[in-house]
Amino acid sequence: EAGVTQSPTHLIKTRGQQVTLRCSPISGHTSVYWYQQALGLGLQFLLWYDEGEERNRGNFPPRFSGRQFPNYSSELNVNALELEDSALYLCASSWGRGPYNEQFFGPGTRLTVL
Amino acid sequence: AQKVTQAQTEISVVEKEDVTLDCVYETRDTTYYLFWYKQPPSGELVFLIRRNSFDEQNEISGRYSWNFQKSTSSFNFTITASQVVDSAVYFCALSLNYGGATNKLIFGTGTLLAVQP
Repeated sequence: EAGVTQSPTHLIKTRGQQVTLRCSPISGHTSVYWYQQALGLGLQFLLWYDEGEERNRGNFPPRFSGRQFPNYSSELNVNALELEDSALYLCASSWGRGPYNEQFFGPGTRLTVL
Repeated sequence: AQKVTQAQTEISVVEKEDVTLDCVYETRDTTYYLFWYKQPPSGELVFLIRRNSFDEQNEISGRYSWNFQKSTSSFNFTITASQVVDSAVYFCALSLNYGGATNKLIFGTGTLLAVQP
């Protein structure tokens, strides 16, 4: 069974640009989560999508947004990139909505903002 | 406030030593879920275990064991006879039961385990 996949693997952008990261969940999983792992800040929850709707949002500015498609894949968009957006962005998926469901992570997209 | 503390930033052991990674959590909720994840150098977080707040049974899986104690709000992870392949960053995480309204994992800062041959 294929795991969570993310693309691209690496990305280099400059300040002010926009970026789109993509995630495909494990087959059968309906929930997709996005986390940011920035140096010195640890793993922080960004967004949760389930059945095409945004269910929860972490403490991030509105320029971080996303969506979930009918096939449950998801995109994370970051507008007006800032240097501090440089981080590993991890996507995870789970079966169902319960907080008890294990979240399975993808390999991440490493974003560098110059 | 909900919080997970992993006080050990880095641990270095020699192969075959036993090592315990500490995790202390804070929450006022009576129902919650605790997780351990492993992050090898490749970056992908690997799920290891989930424990429910109402189940204090300890668990053993091969060389891995987990000790959950609600009285001290701890969920410690022990690796017996460590191996070089165990080298990774280990994260403890907390998930709260708001009727499924949040689902976010609250992570500790992680413990970097280095197993020397």
